[in-house]
Amino acid sequence: GAGVSQSPSNKVTEKGKDVELRCDPISGHTALYWYRQSLGQGLEFLIYFQGNSAPDKSGLPSDRFSAERTGGSVSTLTIQRTQQEDSAVYLCASSLGRTVLQPQHFGDGTRLSIL
Amino acid sequence: AQSVSQHNHHVILSEAASLELGCNYSYGGTVNLFWYVQYPGQHLQLLLKYFSGDPLVKGIKGFEAEFIKSKFSFNLRKPSVQWSDTAEYFCAVNARGGSYIPTFGRGTSLIVHP
Repeated sequence: GAGVSQSPSNKVTEKGKDVELRCDPISGHTALYWYRQSLGQGLEFLIYFQGNSAPDKSGLPSDRFSAERTGGSVSTLTIQRTQQEDSAVYLCASSLGRTVLQPQHFGDGTRLSIL
Repeated sequence: AQSVSQHNHHVILSEAASLELGCNYSYGGTVNLFWYVQYPGQHLQLLLKYFSGDPLVKGIKGFEAEFIKSKFSFNLRKPSVQWSDTAEYFCAVNARGGSYIPTFGRGTSLIVHP
């Protein structure tokens, strides 16, 4: 019974570099969410995928952020030209379906540190 | 758009003390409400949820929350905390008929001293 898997668990990179964060949702879960959690802050929504529908990108903070979901399963969040303010824990969650009645299952997150 | 406010950012209690964490939301329509917990070194997990029916919801590990519509509140309670309840607690709201994306509060850090 695998849960949501995220990799890497920690990533340290220099300012200006690009990073890719990966999320493997629970098998069969059609909904996938990316959040950002900064120190002392709540979960900031970034992007939402549901099945084959166009993703909801309304939470992406800038055009340096992008995400894709291939084959309705694995998702990759890409941050280009990283800035120090991008340092945070990036969380991925999946849920069984479109209905709001399904709770989210979270991964352990990727802790991103920009030097 | 909905928003969630958790007024207590840090709470420190001794074991056996009673707990109440505040959560208020702003949205004029029907909502679904959640409390999530994140134990040290673990991922976020669902503690309890309210969709409809009895406004007093019971969750895992002796936690409960009461939805008071007139106060737009969904406070989390536990009559007697344990050291193992030390964690970060997040309230979340999802507006029915609106976005499927829950909005989370900033979280409350609870430390329970043995």
